[in-house]
Order: sequence, then C-alpha cells, then structure tokens
Amino acid sequence: DTAVSQTPKYLVTQMGNDKSIKCEQNLGHDTMYWYKQDSKKFLKIMFSYNNKELIINETVPNRFSPKSPDKAHLNLHINSLELGDSAVYFCASSQAGLAGHLNTGELFFGEGSRLTVL
Amino acid sequence: AQTVTQSQPEMSVQEAETVTLSCTYDTSESDYYLFWYKQPPSRQMILVIRQEAYKQQNATENRFSVNFQKAAKSFSLKISDSQLGDAAMYFCAYQSSNTGKLIFGQGTTLQVKP
Repeated sequence: DTAVSQTPKYLVTQMGNDKSIKCEQNLGHDTMYWYKQDSKKFLKIMFSYNNKELIINETVPNRFSPKSPDKAHLNLHINSLELGDSAVYFCASSQAGLAGHLNTGELFFGEGSRLTVL
Repeated sequence: AQTVTQSQPEMSVQEAETVTLSCTYDTSESDYYLFWYKQPPSRQMILVIRQEAYKQQNATENRFSVNFQKAAKSFSLKISDSQLGDAAMYFCAYQSSNTGKLIFGQGTTLQVKP
C-alpha cells in the first residue's frame, strides 16, 4: 500500500499543451509538497500546502497551479508547457513535528513523475 | 536564505569499507533539522538519517552515522561496511523549523566497487 502515490509516472507531451500530475497520500499528514528535480538532479521546492492552505509558493511561473481539494491530495496543473519544464516532479508529505512549529519532520516522497516536453 | 552545499559530486568506496560524504549549510536559524536522503536509480527518495539541531548527540542508524558540528555548520554522513546496495545519489537537506521547507544540496553520487 503506497504511502505517497503520483500519477502518471511518465508523461510525454508537446510544447504548448496543458497537463496535470496527481498526488495522493494515505499517511494522514497535514502538509504536502511539490518538488522539481532538473536534469542535473537538483531538487527544488515549488509549493507546499498545509491542510489545504498554500503556505509556500516559490518563484514558479504562473503556468504552474497547484490544487488541494483535501489534505490527502495535492495536484499540479501546468499550462502552456515549455521545453524547460521537462523534469521529474516529486510529491511529498510530512506530519507536523514539535509543538509550536508549523511543520517539521521527515518528508515522505512519491516515486516521481517524469515529464518530457517535446 | 538558507543554503546547503555538497562539495563532492562523486565518491567511490570499496565494498565493506567506510566512506564519508560531506555537507555544509548556512543559516541564521538556531532551530532546524538536517537529513540525508538516498536516491537510487529507481528514483525513489529514501530517508537515511535525520538530526535535530538541538540535539548534541550524533544520530546513528545501523551502518549510517552523522558527524554534526553545529558551530561549523557541518553535517557529514559516514557509511560503514559499505554494500553494493548503498550505491546511489545522496542528498543532504536542511529543514527550517519556521516554514518546514526542505532545502537540498546538489547531491553526491556514491559508487560502491565490489
């Protein structure tokens, strides 16, 4: 039973298209994230949601729009795909750690979704 | 802003030997968390070990241990009795206790030779 699952695992599409990646976690965590891993394997946070509320929004183009219908799901929609969007996108979740801290603790990652834009 | 630096793009170790991966970070926060994650060719991100900044004792998980030097802002990972299955990319990561955001280093690719 996968803790954090993403679909699709692989996605190949043309420039200009719109695509979505879905993420679900069954760990009961309050916080979910989207990370992007580029061709050099560098991992960078894109967004973070805590109990359906956006709490981290890094410098990401407006073409990227996260949506959290409930705290177990965080989807990523990308409009007008560009070549530079090709990457592996990781969803992750975590549970609040120490009292008084917004969120600290281990992140559990999905298997990643490899997006290739042609 | 916090940064994490892994200065060794690639490392190699003989099976059964010990290897140390380096990591330094920069922050003005006093309360934070540090992690080492492993990413094998399967792409899955796997937690190896974690360290709370307020704990002076170095974390240990079986063959994996860290050398946490808070004043020097250094957090190295030691892998003892290296196994072929340890071959992977290893990421050092810093987590702010204020935002929960996890910031990764550039990664170190570890090769284990039989």
